[in-house]
Amino acid sequence: QKEVEQDPGPLSVPEGAIVSLNCTYSNSAFQYFMWYRQYSRKGPELLMYTYSSGNKEDGRFTAQVDKSSKYISLFIRDSQPSDSATYLCAMQTSGSRLTFGEGTQLTVNP
Amino acid sequence: DSGVTQTPKHLITATGQRVTLRCSPRSGDLSVYWYQQSLDQGLQFLIQYYNGEERAKGNILERFSAQQFPDLHSELNLSSLELGDSALYFCASSVAALAGGYAGGNTQYFGPGTRLTVL
Repeated sequence: QKEVEQDPGPLSVPEGAIVSLNCTYSNSAFQYFMWYRQYSRKGPELLMYTYSSGNKEDGRFTAQVDKSSKYISLFIRDSQPSDSATYLCAMQTSGSRLTFGEGTQLTVNP
Repeated sequence: DSGVTQTPKHLITATGQRVTLRCSPRSGDLSVYWYQQSLDQGLQFLIQYYNGEERAKGNILERFSAQQFPDLHSELNLSSLELGDSALYFCASSVAALAGGYAGGNTQYFGPGTRLTVL
């Protein structure tokens, strides 16, 4: 069983839709949770960072962490065609290495 | 632009050969990480260096080695290459060595990657 599970999609939505992306994990030692965006196999770009449980909002993006359920989410409001990319969840213990989910491929159609 | 640079962008070589990938971290970052992204494995952590010393090791093959130089740039050496080594290799950098040792964890910023093709 993988430490981090993420539905690879693909996910296709119309412009303006609310997008929900999710990951589950099994390692209760994970404390830091991140979402990266990756365009066409370019370098992953950090979108959101969250420590422990709770919500964090940044513009159209909201990250949620529920440690009791070992479940994290990223919501994208008013999605745009430019949001079309692969979204990777990543997690970290107090150490250093990032453990990534498989990535969800998102397409936002005009 | 993350501030992390990697060269070369693309590398095509043959089985059995040896290649070197280079990474320069963001200004001020002391930690360098190497990750491999293949189609069937996703992004996998290989190794971390902090201020010239190895700090953590992931699923890095014995045929692969890395080092970090006094100017903090890092090189990943891949030898006796096999077809299965074809992948994207990313370098990332951060200020701190550990997540708990710096406010906000040790946010890692990724370079543009090197695409390695082994024929």
